[in-house]
Amino acid sequence: DADVTQTPRNRITKTGKRIMLECSQTKGHDRMYWYRQDPGLGLRLIYYSFDVKDINKGEISDGYSVSRQAQAKFSLSLESAIPNQTALYFCATSDLGQGVINTGELFFGEGSRLTVL
Amino acid sequence: GDSVTQMEGPVTLSEEAFLTINCTYTATGYPSLFWYVQYPGEGLQLLLKATKADDKGSNKGFEATYRKETTSFHLEKGSVQVSDSAVYFCALTSNYGGSQGNLIFGKGTKLSVKP
Repeated sequence: DADVTQTPRNRITKTGKRIMLECSQTKGHDRMYWYRQDPGLGLRLIYYSFDVKDINKGEISDGYSVSRQAQAKFSLSLESAIPNQTALYFCATSDLGQGVINTGELFFGEGSRLTVL
Repeated sequence: GDSVTQMEGPVTLSEEAFLTINCTYTATGYPSLFWYVQYPGEGLQLLLKATKADDKGSNKGFEATYRKETTSFHLEKGSVQVSDSAVYFCALTSNYGGSQGNLIFGKGTKLSVKP
């Protein structure tokens, strides 16, 4: 089984619908992230969490919300989906504690492809 | 703020050709630098990293040297294989304000290797 698991892997929805993407990890890492990948734009950070009680906005948080239900679970919600939120979404984890300069690596899930019609 | 600029693709090479993917960065302080690779249908995975100036990261025949004087971290491989076909991302750690420790990614360079 994958260390970082995302569900669903693919989802097609309509404008205005609420969507939740879920991420769970078995690596025991404190830090979790949600990124969005668009062709020609690379990866952009949506939200990140250093522990269960810590949630931070990333570069492009508007239109998104997150919930850190447990150390192992971090979900991303689109309250009212719109077509320009069509993208590939990645969850990632890392094992560094808060305040430590990141010299380590991120571990990514396989991605959730979302299409908003 | 901090940023990463990498050469635009796609890059198409024949098997056994030499590969260079350019990456330059802008950052305050002394970031760590990374190359990630994304194979078709998969998430990103770390390819190599360097944490201080003049360090050379290497893995799977790929190399990159942290050049502080030119703010560069170019990826090289002497002889590419079809299995190297993927998207390559240069990244750095941000030492800026509240996002300290988060990775900032370049836009990615797609590599296709033909037999």
